[in-house]
Amino acid sequence: EAGVAQSPRYKIIEKRQSVAFWCNPISGHATLYWYQQILGQGPKLLIQFQNNGVVDDSQLPKDRFSAERLKGVDSTLKIQPAKLEDSAVYLCASSDRDPSYNEQFFGPGTRLTVL
Amino acid sequence: AQSVSQHNHHVILSEAASLELGCNYSYGGTVNLFWYVQYPGQHLQLLLKYFSGDPLVKGIKGFEAEFIKSKFSFNLRKPSVQWSDTAEYFCAVTTDSWGKLQFGAGTQVVVTP
Repeated sequence: EAGVAQSPRYKIIEKRQSVAFWCNPISGHATLYWYQQILGQGPKLLIQFQNNGVVDDSQLPKDRFSAERLKGVDSTLKIQPAKLEDSAVYLCASSDRDPSYNEQFFGPGTRLTVL
Repeated sequence: AQSVSQHNHHVILSEAASLELGCNYSYGGTVNLFWYVQYPGQHLQLLLKYFSGDPLVKGIKGFEAEFIKSKFSFNLRKPSVQWSDTAEYFCAVTTDSWGKLQFGAGTQVVVTP
């Protein structure tokens, strides 16, 4: 089966600019996650969708970050405006059935550099 | 606050040596435990997981992990490593029904020929 797709793979922007990331989960997976991985740290959950509804966005900086999952399939994560500390790898993951027991499948990530 | 601690940030060892990576979590309730691995240039992938039952779980590529509830630990082991085990290893925990993963900082393992 095809894995989780993400684009772009790399992005370099200047601070205060906007950027958007796209994720297409594995077909049929109801749960979609966006993680932020800063260099030297483990991934941190930003937002979790169950179908097209938000389950958890407690760690999403809502003043600048937004995410949507229209039609319960692919998703976009946006940063507007970006700050230097947003430099990180943004990972998308998906899982099916009961998310608490199921493996999350990760995409290749988007490496964002904010100058 | 809940947290996951991995004891070593970097480990260097020779082929055929034994590997043990420590992981401790702080949460008093029911947990599901995972080890994920990221090989160079590849995606994060599941190595093994523990939900209940036998506290010694076996994963892919000869890895195993032991859940010790009294010590809040879930250490990863491999008796004899290969060069291809060079990777970053992440311990992770879920404590709710939605599967929200909380990751440790990761351990970079380098296996020398």
